[in-house]
Amino acid sequence: QQQVKQSPQSLIVQKGGISIINCAYENTAFDYFPWYQQFPGKGPALLIAIRPDVSEKKEGRFTISFNKSAKQFSLHIMDSQPGDSATYFCAAKRSGGGADGLTFGKGTHLIIQP
Amino acid sequence: ETGVTQSPTHLIKTRGQQVTLRCSSQSGHNTVSWYQQALGQGPQFIFQYYREEENGRGNFPPRFSGLQFPNYSSELNVNALELDDSALYLCASRRGQTDTQYFGPGTRLTVL
Repeated sequence: QQQVKQSPQSLIVQKGGISIINCAYENTAFDYFPWYQQFPGKGPALLIAIRPDVSEKKEGRFTISFNKSAKQFSLHIMDSQPGDSATYFCAAKRSGGGADGLTFGKGTHLIIQP
Repeated sequence: ETGVTQSPTHLIKTRGQQVTLRCSSQSGHNTVSWYQQALGQGPQFIFQYYREEENGRGNFPPRFSGLQFPNYSSELNVNALELDDSALYLCASRRGQTDTQYFGPGTRLTVL
């Protein structure tokens, strides 16, 4: 059972455009939602994370939008650059104590065309 | 860089063999989690160690086992290797029960 569904599987955006990746989750116990960026041959690197008490969080060119009632969250990359070309993963878990690992989506392969 | 290191970088084994992968966590991080990332997929949670004890496990069989040492470094052991065990194995460390996990570069395991 896939608890976090991510779309699209791949995305091509022109340089300077906005990249949008969407995720939906099923487990209402999830209350921590990070996004990771992964380059080939590297481990995932944390980009930005959000908790359900806010609907939006912005860090530089990266913004997470969160819709608790719809159980959906999305990553927006503004002014997309060729260096942003990577695979992006959304994830979710119950925050704080406990021994739950992160539940990841299947990833979005993003290509920014110059 | 996250300060999380893993060894070896690459490893080739034969079906039925056993393998040990190693991870050094970021300084001060006493919780280590291991993930398996198959090609083209997101990482899947294997298990977590906190204060040298396994305190959480994903949907992986007992032939996946681990250790955590007093310096918080960790090992992942896989027995009776199967072809489907070919994947990138990632460890992630964090401080106590905080949420932010920092991943290492991974070990690429190929089972022939």
